[in-house]
Amino acid sequence: GAGVSQTPSNKVTEKGKYVELRCDPISGHTALYWYRQSLGQGPEFLIYFQGTGAADDSGLPNDRFFAVRPEGSVSTLKIQRTERGDSAVYLCASSLTRGSNEQFFGPGTRLTVL
Amino acid sequence: AQKVTQAQTEISVVEKEDVTLDCVYETRDTTYYLFWYKQPPSGELVFLIRRNSFDEQNEISGRYSWNFQKSTSSFNFTITASQVVDSAVYFCALSERGASGTYKYIFGTGTRLKVLA
Repeated sequence: GAGVSQTPSNKVTEKGKYVELRCDPISGHTALYWYRQSLGQGPEFLIYFQGTGAADDSGLPNDRFFAVRPEGSVSTLKIQRTERGDSAVYLCASSLTRGSNEQFFGPGTRLTVL
Repeated sequence: AQKVTQAQTEISVVEKEDVTLDCVYETRDTTYYLFWYKQPPSGELVFLIRRNSFDEQNEISGRYSWNFQKSTSSFNFTITASQVVDSAVYFCALSERGASGTYKYIFGTGTRLKVLA
């Protein structure tokens, strides 16, 4: 499979728990983005990686959210002390170089916080 | 203020009708990029087109066409002879250089298109 993959596809957790969401970008894509999509809304930018570094994390809503991409490929979005308002679909996208290029999206992880 | 406005929340058409999805954007940059994505019921966003701010030529791809007008800050999308398979949510997006110096996407709220048989 050459596309962006995300695991798990669904995650149900309880309020206050910690979750990790994983993204496998397309091989060779240096840019990786995380978005959050709520029902009836467009994707909302969270964080952008260029290689291993977070080039722009201005979209992270608060310090409970953190993301890493240690080897410049796979990325993990981490959410601490989850809240019901964190429930959404978390989308990952990758592009060849930077954000002026088209992005290729994964199928998303649907997070439900009970 | 909304940077990307898709005023049409939902549109229903009968198969074979033409339909235009509107997108109005706002930016101060002279260099920016505009995109359209399709999100079918399966959920995965699919890239349709990319336009840079220096290229105002309209584009046609099969039944799809795009009209980019800088004078009105619009980037509208027309589907000719719509088909049931066109039913999806369509997102317009703007990529501009943010305060950090990096490009990032700003999506509109989407237009849900329903094509009825």
